[in-house]
Order: sequence, then structure tokens, then C-alpha cells
Amino acid sequence: QITLKESGPTLVKPTQTLTLTCTFSGFSLSTSGVGVGWIRQPPGKALEWLALIYWDDDKRYSPSLKSRLTITKDTSKNQVVLTMTNMDPVDTATYYCAHSSRPGYPFDYWGQGTLVTVSS
Amino acid sequence: DIQMTQSPSTLSASVGDRVTITCRASQSISSWLAWYQQKPGKAPKLLIYKASSLESGVPSRFSGSGSGTEFTLTISSLQPDDFATYYCQQYNSYTWTFGQGTKVEIK
Repeated sequence: QITLKESGPTLVKPTQTLTLTCTFSGFSLSTSGVGVGWIRQPPGKALEWLALIYWDDDKRYSPSLKSRLTITKDTSKNQVVLTMTNMDPVDTATYYCAHSSRPGYPFDYWGQGTLVTVSS
Repeated sequence: DIQMTQSPSTLSASVGDRVTITCRASQSISSWLAWYQQKPGKAPKLLIYKASSLESGVPSRFSGSGSGTEFTLTISSLQPDDFATYYCQQYNSYTWTFGQGTKVEIK
């Protein structure tokens, strides 16, 4: 049974760096083809793809946010970490992590999401 | 970047109706398109992958079609549980993109 759960601060101040952790079970990020990504959704708005990391450490970022994002994995801890620098109120959103089973496959399992508010 | 455009943004329909949602890509994505359903306060749920493949456990009233730049999601007979927001997503390119969503409301 695959599960993912996001954790991190619920409130950050403008200009601060956000660090979110996705802790998962039921799969290994050392298994060929597997990927974990991050997606966010501002209140009442659409989903936005942020980043993706594969089992082989291939990392991909949204072009519009690439300069602010870093995605890493810790296979031994079954975790993926996303950092986003220079947070702004427009970054207020629910942040999700999600699993991709293999190349050529979208996100089939999602975490419950965590709401991050950016405010002074 | 590949842009994804969904239409309509909102759709009002009744139980039993046949519903079609369209998604257009700004360039060809072959068949690398997924559809998700999202209900308020919940994470999205994968319905369709590779444009027309039904994810395991998803009711057969959901179907997808298309290739290249134009895709459709069809619900053959709308059920009460289907009132939700639907998103397309391309995963053809090095980076992935979602559409802006289509909300299916009760008429």
C-alpha cells in the first residue's frame, strides 16, 4: 500500500525559505522508473506542477520557478524534500507530493497536502 | 513550456447527462496526457493515463480520447459522485503541466 505525507511549516514569512518533506511508504525511490513530484494549489485555483525527482536522481523543475526550487531525495529515509526560496504571499497554497510508478506514467498516488500560508 | 487549455471552465449538467471536457496542448504531446478528478479539500485522483487508458478501479463511464494536441474526457452518464473539478495534465515533455481545470456543477 503506497502512502505519502507532506510535512513542514504552516506559516512562513515573506523572503523566508520554505522546506517541505514528503515521507512515503509502500515503495522505494531506488526502484527503477519511480518518481516523486511536488504540486501546489493556491486556494480556489488550479494545480501547478513544481518539480519531480526520479530514482536515478534525474531532477526536473517548473521553468517559471526553477531558480527558487531544489528537490532532493533521501532513499534511506524514504523522503523527498522540496525547498523554495524567497517566499511571497502569492506562494500561499496547498502543497502536495505525489508518486509516479514508471516513466511515461503520471501521478497515481498523492499525499493529503499541506497548506502553507505566507504572511508577515 | 507546453501550455494546456481546458474548456469549458465550468459545466452545468444533470445526473444521467453525457459530459465532455476538452483539453488542448500548445504543441503535440503524442498521447502523454492524464485526467484527474478533484473534490473540495481532497487530493486529485488519477482517472485516465496515456490519453485513453482507464486507471484501475475507475468506473467505466469515464473515457478519454485524442492524441497530438486535442483530447477529451467523457463521462457517459453523470453520477452524483462525479460533481467535481477535472484537470488534464501533460507529461510528454521534460517538464509537466496541468490545465486550468473544469468544474462540473449540478444543473
